[in-house]
Amino acid sequence: GEDVEQSLFLSVREGDSSVINCTYTDSSSTYLYWYKQEPGAGLQLLTYIFSNMDMKQDQRLTVLLNKKDKHLSLRIADTQTGDSAIYFCAKTSYDKVIFGPGTSLSVIP
Amino acid sequence: ETGVTQTPRHLVMGMTNKKSLKCEQHLGHNAMYWYKQSAKKPLELMFVYSLEERVENNSVPSRFSPECPNSSHLFLHLHTLQPEDSALYLCASSQDSHGNQPQHFGDGTRLSIL
Repeated sequence: GEDVEQSLFLSVREGDSSVINCTYTDSSSTYLYWYKQEPGAGLQLLTYIFSNMDMKQDQRLTVLLNKKDKHLSLRIADTQTGDSAIYFCAKTSYDKVIFGPGTSLSVIP
Repeated sequence: ETGVTQTPRHLVMGMTNKKSLKCEQHLGHNAMYWYKQSAKKPLELMFVYSLEERVENNSVPSRFSPECPNSSHLFLHLHTLQPEDSALYLCASSQDSHGNQPQHFGDGTRLSIL
């Protein structure tokens, strides 16, 4: 079945850019999502991209999709302490949405 | 986000109790989901409902019993739970159940089994 992988931890300094990476195994055309989970809360949809796109930008967020390498990334510009959270990538695969394990982002003041 | 509301936010129960988790969505969606989120484990999909019909049941023990009386409400009835069932239970909804529309999540119910 489909596998979605992420590194589990990332630490950056406030003001720097954060890049959270995600890889997947199934290359069928589909939607790919980024969610953010803050402590004590559910998953909040940040942005999503369709597989016929290479890039999507939304304010401080930039999503890059490399279909050849089956690699998705989320770049957060000017990272703030409020960006500290767990970030999940997710991908549609055969009518299901498969979530990655989540990357815990720590922002150092 | 108030589109998907879950109650209660926290629940402590003994192994012999019976309780229910409630989820309500105000987004006009046709699909609703229950997920289990345990520490250091991936998000586990438990149940999927589309237009009030269960379309997926991922080998969930029978001590968890879902109910979807209409497209806006989803319940998870709990009975005779085990300590390993302690987790955050998340409800989500989406326009359809085919993954082509994003899922919107509630804030979850933190369940602790004594």
